[in-house]
Formats: sequence, structure tokens, C-alpha cells
Amino acid sequence: AQSVTQLGSHVSVSEGALVLLRCNYSSSVPPYLFWYVQYPNQGLQLLLKYTTGATLVKGINGFEAEFKKSETSFHLTKPSAHMSDAAEYFCAVSEPGGYQKVTFGTGTKLQVIP
Amino acid sequence: NAGVMQNPRHLVRRRGQEARLRCSPMKGHSHVYWYRQLPEEGLKFMVYLQKENIIDESGMPKERFSAEFPKEGPSILRIQQVVRGDSAAYFCASSPPGAVQGNTEAFFGQGTRLTVV
Repeated sequence: AQSVTQLGSHVSVSEGALVLLRCNYSSSVPPYLFWYVQYPNQGLQLLLKYTTGATLVKGINGFEAEFKKSETSFHLTKPSAHMSDAAEYFCAVSEPGGYQKVTFGTGTKLQVIP
Repeated sequence: NAGVMQNPRHLVRRRGQEARLRCSPMKGHSHVYWYRQLPEEGLKFMVYLQKENIIDESGMPKERFSAEFPKEGPSILRIQQVVRGDSAAYFCASSPPGAVQGNTEAFFGQGTRLTVV
């Protein structure tokens, strides 16, 4: 069984400030990890994913995340927030070797303050 | 290459009616997944289908809900005798055959927002 915990359902940052969205996972096997973004009334868009290899993953729109096995974490960061980053972000996990059944966290709404 | 297409985008049904949600996967994709997003919650897996086969329906409610992915045409999620608690956003995702390795991105549609009145 696998699960995802996102700490903080709402995060507010000032424009230009660091964005840090936290994600911890639980998985019985080495996981595949994802971050998705959802804009209001839209579907989910993949920001980045970790499967194997380098633990620091770079995604679109300047976001990156680091897989830390010892901490079972996959936190999402961006050095400088932009107004257009305001959205809801979902961390997700799937188990390799099977099909793409993804378990999502409950989401974090990011507010960017001008 | 069009993305995953879901229709309708918005659907209003009265209690007791049937809701039919459609999902056309991306071209070349043979795997379809349905997820439900209740208000203020994350997405919950419902069902995974391949053409003409239900592979995993562990997330589907035991009653009133069914899904199919016929050889021809879109995948259909059907909800019979809808109740207010069925009001949610229903998302479809698709992935290519390589998804059996578990490392292939699933592409999501824009969802169908069902409102039961």
C-alpha cells in the first residue's frame, strides 16, 4: 500500500519569495513520485516526476523537487514565486513494475501575494 | 495530437437520474483511468481499464457505478440513480501501452464536473 501526505493545505508566499511545498510518502517499494498542478476548473498538468537516477528533478515553470529516501520526502521548490504560480499542487506516488495507478495527496493551494 | 477529451465539461442531474461521462484517450493510448475529486479533497482512483477489459476497479463504489472502455469509442463512466454525494469532479487519464512499466506519465483530461440537485 502507498500513501502521500502533503503538509499544509494552504501556503501563502510573497511574489519573488521561495516556494516550498512539502510531500512525504509511504510505499513498500521504491516509488515513482510526481507533482501535478491544477489551475481552477482545469485538469492536472504534470510538473515533474522522479522514477530512477538523479534525485534532484527539474520540471516545468522553474520548479524542482528532490527525492530523499531517508526522509521519505519529495518536497517541491521554486526559488522565486510568480503570480502565475497560484494554483493547487498535488503530490502523487505510484509503484513501479505495475500500471499507472497513482495515489494522490490531498493537495496544497498556493497563494502568491503581490 | 489532441489531449484527453472529456465531455461534457459540466453536467447537472437531478437525484435519481443517470449520469454518463465520456472520455476519449489520447491517440495511441490504450489505458484509461478514472479518478474522482470531491470538494476540498485530492483525487481518488476509481478504475483502470484497457480496451474491453476492466483491470482494476478497487476504487469504484460497489453499487450504481460502472465503467467500460469498448473496442471502438470512448470510455464511459456511468452513475445510476445519482445522489447529492456523487457531486464531484471526475477526471479521466490515459497512458500508452508502455505504462505497464509504471514509469510513463498519465495525461489528464479537464474533467467533468457533476452537480446533483
